[in-house]
Amino acid sequence: GENVEQHPSTLSVQEGDSAVIKCTYSDSASNYFPWYKQELGKGPQLIIDIRSNVGEKKDQRIAVTLNKTAKHFSLHITETQPEDSAVYFCAASQGTNAGKSTFGDGTTLTVKP
Amino acid sequence: ETGVTQTPRHLVMGMTNKKSLKCEQHLGHNAMYWYKQSAKKPLELMFVYNFKEQTENNSVPSRFSPECPNSSHLFLHLHTLQPEDSALYLCASSPTIGFRGNQPQHFGDGTRLSIL
Repeated sequence: GENVEQHPSTLSVQEGDSAVIKCTYSDSASNYFPWYKQELGKGPQLIIDIRSNVGEKKDQRIAVTLNKTAKHFSLHITETQPEDSAVYFCAASQGTNAGKSTFGDGTTLTVKP
Repeated sequence: ETGVTQTPRHLVMGMTNKKSLKCEQHLGHNAMYWYKQSAKKPLELMFVYNFKEQTENNSVPSRFSPECPNSSHLFLHLHTLQPEDSALYLCASSPTIGFRGNQPQHFGDGTRLSIL
């Protein structure tokens, strides 16, 4: 089955700096890679996703890059703000079982004002 | 508002009690999921339902019994739980599974379960 590794497990940055979270996956058949943000007391919420036919996707301060050859994908947050502090999860899934994703173990991001 | 509502938000129960967790989604989705979230395993898939049919049971102990009466509602019936079952139980939904392509999951805010 699919295995997703996520690094780092904790990340602390100063407000205004950039943050990068990296994930690797094992199954080359995976073709959909969502990122979720989980705030305290809430469930994970989708913030951005990328499909395997795209190398990069941006949405304001958030971007995701995908390297299919190396089987890794990354989340980039620029100009971080205190409200970006949360736990971030990456996931990987396949088209034949698209709703069922394998999740990374999460990264706790702290943005210090 | 995520469109996925879980009740109760908090539940404390003894090991001999029987209780149920409820999940309701207002998104018109056909696939629903139960996850367990704990410090040891941040997001552990338990069960998957697609069009009311169970498609995945991730080797979950029989003291957890899911029920999906329709595509909008999902229950998790609990009985004779152990202290290690204390965790956050998350429900999620997605449009469907499989041939319609890749879709993200929409999560509820979870039920925090404590076993005494």
